[in-house]
Amino acid sequence: DAGVIQSPRHEVTEMGQEVTLRCKPISGHDYLFWYRQTMMRGLELLIYFNNNVPIDDSGMPEDRFSAKMPNASFSTLKIQPSEPRDSAVYFCASSLIEGYIVKLFFGSGTQLSVL
Amino acid sequence: QKEVEQNSGPLSVPEGAIASLNCTYSDRGSQSFFWYRQYSGKSPELIMFIYSNGDKEDGRFTAQLNKASQYVSLLIRDSQPSDSATYLCAVNEYDRDDKIIFGKGTRLHILP
Repeated sequence: DAGVIQSPRHEVTEMGQEVTLRCKPISGHDYLFWYRQTMMRGLELLIYFNNNVPIDDSGMPEDRFSAKMPNASFSTLKIQPSEPRDSAVYFCASSLIEGYIVKLFFGSGTQLSVL
Repeated sequence: QKEVEQNSGPLSVPEGAIASLNCTYSDRGSQSFFWYRQYSGKSPELIMFIYSNGDKEDGRFTAQLNKASQYVSLLIRDSQPSDSATYLCAVNEYDRDDKIIFGKGTRLHILP
């Protein structure tokens, strides 16, 4: 298996532009998570899905952020309009639950820079 | 607000010594606990998980859990330069086995 695939690896954009991050989870995994990592705040959970349904989006910073999972093999995280404070590494992770243990498998991340 | 606290480090340990990494968590109902390793510029990878009080050993790694004290630790025996990384502690939220929150991580530096 190729693992969790994220694109793009790097994104540089200007303030006010729309940004779309993409994720393909590991086949057969029924959970998908979006995290954001910064030096100041560490790794923050933004939203997660189970069987394509959003379960908890309480970590989404504000209405500028939205996430979708139209099918089991694809998810997007969109920021519109983007702001410099959105600059971070965005990770997608997928998982199965084994008993009550959730083992996260992370993608390589998208380094987002908003100028 | 659920919190997972770690000393940010850096923690410097001589090669061959034991590295001890610590983590405390605020949610008394948390049931599962994880240690992830993250090399600079890379993504986190799971190295250990534990859910029962006591010790769990896997090779050079030992995870220790004390639910009464809300404390998790990771011991790395015979530390190698390749162990130099940031170690992230993660726990689930009470009643939400599937919601995993992370500490900010401890940077570990193994001195050759």
